[in-house]
Amino acid sequence: DIQMTQSPSTLSASVGDRVTITCRASQSISSWLAWYQQKPGKAPKLLIYKASSLESGVPSRFSGSGSGTEFTLTISSLQPDDFATYYCQQYNTYSRTFGQGTKVEIK
Amino acid sequence: EVQLVESGGGSVQPGGSLRLSCAASGFTFSSCEMNWVRQAPGKGPEWVSYIDSSGTPIYHADSVKGRFTISRDNAKNLVFLQMNSLRAEDTALYYCARDQPGRARGPFDMWGQGTMVTVSS
Repeated sequence: DIQMTQSPSTLSASVGDRVTITCRASQSISSWLAWYQQKPGKAPKLLIYKASSLESGVPSRFSGSGSGTEFTLTISSLQPDDFATYYCQQYNTYSRTFGQGTKVEIK
Repeated sequence: EVQLVESGGGSVQPGGSLRLSCAASGFTFSSCEMNWVRQAPGKGPEWVSYIDSSGTPIYHADSVKGRFTISRDNAKNLVFLQMNSLRAEDTALYYCARDQPGRARGPFDMWGQGTMVTVSS
């Protein structure tokens, strides 16, 4: 299986900060990468697909970039609603795999 | 309303069985590939099983292969997960999730609320 590694595991930030989360794949996945946001007690929510395409209804402060094995999720100006855990996921193979998550906390 | 609703979870002893169901509504279910994804307490999501819109092919994670089987009933808009020989490490919240339409093997653009499975003696 393709392994996905996120960094950092935890991130402390303030409202208005620019935040970047990194995801690395153990082998090339082209652009078949998604980002999800999960809040406590809720299912994950799709934010970004195909590395940089914004899912319908997701605020434009979220953006994604990268290809091959290196990807980033950027939140341009952190809002109170953005404090959550973020996961990357590869879908290059049917055995879809997730990163271990990045928790964005209030500084 | 466009939604997925899981049911069938519960507590079971090691070695036991459970059958999870997921009811879909508000979209053309028979055209969509479906999955089961689980999340153990305090852990990240783990993909478990995939089923094509027609019912084949199906794929399972190595961790459940030979013990779990995914199936669907397109006439009733249902997808199932038969879980046998359950182990403590199968304890998790089980989600039903839809592949994003338009590409086989996509990201998951719709999730249910989950059903909890606890395996303990």
